[in-house]
Amino acid sequence: NAGVTQTPKFRVLKTGQSMTLLCAQDMNHEYMYWYRQDPGMGLRLIHYSVGEGTTAKGEVPDGYNVSRLKKQNFLLGLESAAPSQTSVYFCASSPGTGNAFFGQGTRLTVV
Amino acid sequence: AQRVTQPEKLLSVFKGAPVELKCNYSYSGSPELFWYVQYSRQRLQLLLRHISRESIKGFTADLNKGETSFHLKKPFAQEEDSAMYYCALDSGSARQLTFGSGTQLTVLP
Repeated sequence: NAGVTQTPKFRVLKTGQSMTLLCAQDMNHEYMYWYRQDPGMGLRLIHYSVGEGTTAKGEVPDGYNVSRLKKQNFLLGLESAAPSQTSVYFCASSPGTGNAFFGQGTRLTVV
Repeated sequence: AQRVTQPEKLLSVFKGAPVELKCNYSYSGSPELFWYVQYSRQRLQLLLRHISRESIKGFTADLNKGETSFHLKKPFAQEEDSAMYYCALDSGSARQLTFGSGTQLTVLP
């Protein structure tokens, strides 16, 4: 049982490059989320989705876009990476009970 | 707007000593609160939720609406309790979680 899987685990980007982070869950959860984790700031919500084909902005959405074309996948895109986007990114899914299941994280460095 | 505050970034206790990790929240509605834990090199996982009123790994947390607090307690800390602990508030129609900044707990031998 894989749970929530994030791809890739590590990535180094140059300023201005683009990339997509993939999150896949096999628990048939409706809700999916993207968070970023920065030292001293905890986890902050970037975007979320309440079902296939829906997305919404979280607390810190600027510089990111998302898509949820399939229920099991939630993609996070960076169109033009900036050093301020250096962070650890976590995807999570939830059946709607507030109990979220997290991926293992993606460590992104923008140089 | 909802907010979760964990005043201690770092907390060290000796093995066998009691431990309390503080969490305060602000929220206009009826709060649902959680504690999540992240052990070294592992993913973030749910430790406990206030609704279930259970004890997990010896930890308990009581919701105090008057003091808007949800402190995590354990009477006798163990070395394997060393981890990062996050308090979280379920705050929206999409059940999104608002997290505190976390407390790194170190249990010394």
